[in-house]
Amino acid sequence: KAGVTQTPRYLIKTRGQQVTLSCSPISGHRSVSWYQQTPGQGLQFLFEYFSETQRNKGNFPGRFSGRQFSNSRSEMNVSTLELGDSALYLCASSSQIIANTEAFFGQGTRLTVV
Amino acid sequence: AQSVTQLGSHVSVSEGALVLLRCNYSSSVPPYLFWYVQYPNQGLQLLLKYTSAATLVKGINGFEAEFKKSETSFHLTKPSAHMSDAAEYFCAVSEVNAGNMLTFGGGTRLMVKP
Repeated sequence: KAGVTQTPRYLIKTRGQQVTLSCSPISGHRSVSWYQQTPGQGLQFLFEYFSETQRNKGNFPGRFSGRQFSNSRSEMNVSTLELGDSALYLCASSSQIIANTEAFFGQGTRLTVV
Repeated sequence: AQSVTQLGSHVSVSEGALVLLRCNYSSSVPPYLFWYVQYPNQGLQLLLKYTSAATLVKGINGFEAEFKKSETSFHLTKPSAHMSDAAEYFCAVSEVNAGNMLTFGGGTRLMVKP
């Protein structure tokens, strides 16, 4: 069974640009969550999608957005990039949207903003 | 809002020694609790989770954790450290009615000396 796939693995962008990251969940999983990981702030929840609907949202500015497609694949977009957006972005998929469900993480996309 | 505290951002043990990584959570209602491990340039992998079935939870790779409600703690232990255990460990909580949203502690980097 294939795991969670995130593309691309590495990205370098310039301040002010926008970026789109992609996540393909494990087959059959309908929940996709996104996290930002930085040395200073640690792991922070961005948002969760289930059946194409955003179900939960973390405390991030509106520049961070996401969506989920009918095949459960998800994308997140960051507009008007800032240096502080440099981070490892992790995607996690789960089979259900119940709090005690195991989340399976992808290897992440490392975004560097210069 | 939930918070998770991991005491000690770095822990160093000798190979064969006991591993003890500390985690405390803030909640009047016991949440669901998880321990994840992250190897360099990788995503997170679930070690174990507490879902109220038993206070002593056994996980993969010889790790276990004990839920202590009176101390709001969920410390991770392993009787004998291996070199391959060197990684970063994260404690996380989720709450009922919050979907799969995880709140993570700051992480503890475990170093194993030969």
